[in-house]
Amino acid sequence: SQTIHQWPATLVQPVGSPLSLECTVEGTSNPNLYWYRQAAGRGLQLLFYSVGIGQISSEVPQNLSASRPQDRQFILSSKKLLLSDSGFYLCAWSFVGWETQYFGPGTRLLVL
Amino acid sequence: QKEVEQNSGPLSVPEGAIASLNCTYSDRGSQSFFWYRQYSGKSPELIMFIYSNGDKEDGRFTAQLNKASQYVSLLIRDSQPSDSATYLCAVKRGSTLGRLYFGRGTQLTVWP
Repeated sequence: SQTIHQWPATLVQPVGSPLSLECTVEGTSNPNLYWYRQAAGRGLQLLFYSVGIGQISSEVPQNLSASRPQDRQFILSSKKLLLSDSGFYLCAWSFVGWETQYFGPGTRLLVL
Repeated sequence: QKEVEQNSGPLSVPEGAIASLNCTYSDRGSQSFFWYRQYSGKSPELIMFIYSNGDKEDGRFTAQLNKASQYVSLLIRDSQPSDSATYLCAVKRGSTLGRLYFGRGTQLTVWP
């Protein structure tokens, strides 16, 4: 069976500091991978998705970036965090060719 | 017009009742429809998906799709307090590989 991990679970960072969130998937090869953000009282906003190593598509222009250095690893980064970056960051995966997405446990980020 | 719209609620029903959650979508070419449940502070978990017009049943859950009316709903029979959560509707548009559009969710409370 497939498992998706995210860490850290919670993070408190000062404005202007860098960010690195990691997501890994076990039990499948070449998954599609997604980063979402869910701000308080808001819906899920797709940030990035990837169909393979080194292939990243950005949905929303912002100060965040994503990378996929390995098949089952997806990283979300920022060089300088903004207050508006606070939220619940969710990584998701799907089988290639399938739309059904499965979410990881999430990382709750608070920027102060 | 938003891609996917849901009544934010809260929807409150007594234990044992039928809870009805509704979702409308704007793209007539949408092909696949998903319902996720999200408990407070947790990540979304897939309940079920539906592709074809009509009803699809899975235990106490029934998804209903009407493509002509661009409407999808989720019925929860014999509602339990453990069903209290936010329910997210997600839609895959026809032209977007792997891209799901999420509604903001409907908050459901089942009271004993």
